[in-house]
Amino acid sequence: AQSVTQLDSHVSVSEGTPVLLRCNYSSSYSPSLFWYVQHPNKGLQLLLKYTSAATLVKGINGFEAEFKKSETSFHLTKPSAHMSDAAEYFCVVRMDSSYKLIFGSGTRLLVRP
Amino acid sequence: DAGVTQSPTHLIKTRGQHVTLRCSPISGHKSVSWYQQVLGQGPQFIFQYYEKEERGRGNFPDRFSARQFPNYSSELNVNALLLGDSALYLCASSSVGSGGIRSTDTQYFGPGTRLTVL
Repeated sequence: AQSVTQLDSHVSVSEGTPVLLRCNYSSSYSPSLFWYVQHPNKGLQLLLKYTSAATLVKGINGFEAEFKKSETSFHLTKPSAHMSDAAEYFCVVRMDSSYKLIFGSGTRLLVRP
Repeated sequence: DAGVTQSPTHLIKTRGQHVTLRCSPISGHKSVSWYQQVLGQGPQFIFQYYEKEERGRGNFPDRFSARQFPNYSSELNVNALLLGDSALYLCASSSVGSGGIRSTDTQYFGPGTRLTVL
């Protein structure tokens, strides 16, 4: 069975400092992995996705994530946080044999001025 | 191009009532999925429809049903509403290649319908 664990429910950073949101997955096969962001009262927006083409994936708004099979991790990073990055972030896994996206419980990113 | 649209944006119902939520996918997208997001949690998969057929169903009771129309829009129906059905209901659409549904397909989400059951 597939599952996703987001290791931090809340992360607080100062504006201009690096962001690290941690995600570990459990899967029997090579999964497709995604990061989505949800701003208050808005829908989910895709930040980036891993589809086995390259282990380092670049997304929108300066975010990137690295797929590490040995560690079953897919952590999201950004070199410099902006106030507009404050939102809820979801790590998501999906298998070829399943039609559904499996979401983690989310990490709320707070950005201090 | 318009994104995924959902209606209504907000809805208040009482226990035992029935509700219908609507979703219009991005033009050209033939697959629609529904998710339930309870406050403070990640979205949970309810259904996926592709070419008007149900292709996947999550762990939800039979009170939940859905359908997809010839124009690929979709409805989610919930009967005999319970307090625990209060949530944000999200619709997502995706394009599907000639090889069928793939795990790499990107799902584009609408803004959701917030349902409150009193």
